[in-house]
Amino acid sequence: RKEVEQDPGPFNVPEGATVAFNCTYSNSASQSFFWYRQDCRKEPKLLMSVYSSGNEDGRFTAQLNRASQYISLLIRDSKLSDSATYLCVVNPRGDAGNMLTFGGGTRLMVKP
Amino acid sequence: DADVTQTPRNRITKTGKRIMLECSQTKGHDRMYWYRQDPGLGLRLIYYSFDVKDINKGEISDGYSVSRQAQAKFSLSLESAIPNQTALYFCATSDLGEAEVYEQFFGPGTRLTVL
Repeated sequence: RKEVEQDPGPFNVPEGATVAFNCTYSNSASQSFFWYRQDCRKEPKLLMSVYSSGNEDGRFTAQLNRASQYISLLIRDSKLSDSATYLCVVNPRGDAGNMLTFGGGTRLMVKP
Repeated sequence: DADVTQTPRNRITKTGKRIMLECSQTKGHDRMYWYRQDPGLGLRLIYYSFDVKDINKGEISDGYSVSRQAQAKFSLSLESAIPNQTALYFCATSDLGEAEVYEQFFGPGTRLTVL
């Protein structure tokens, strides 16, 4: 079993749609969670951290369910510019420093 | 100018050749990392360094070596390249962020093809 698993997609949605991605992680001791965004042939960039209480940044909402060991990302009112691959990233506490484990990514394509 | 730069951006080489990928950063971060990315597999850690005197193996270090020449420079070498090392390679840096969360900042990547 992979440490961090994501549905690779692609998710094809029309502009304005709401779309949600889930991610599961295997290490129950994990403490830090993130969503990174990666555009085609570009480097990953931090989209948002995921906190236990859930957090929102504009049209993006991230949730964490520790009991079920999954993380979700909700995108409301999708824009064409949201088309990218979204990487679920976990940092198991106890690893030295910031040793991130990456999921394989979920590809989102927003259509006009 | 970009905070994390990588050279070369693209490289095609032959099996058995020695290759060096270079990474430089102007962010002043102590921590630097090398990853490779393969389709569907996500990013996998090759080596990491927490300061100039500290080098550590990551998940997939076999066939690779690194050198931390200075705080700002971290190089990855393939001593004898093989075709399954064809991948997209990323360098990253990190420092202490808010709430003790270390965000990683990535370079633009080096696309390496080994024939």
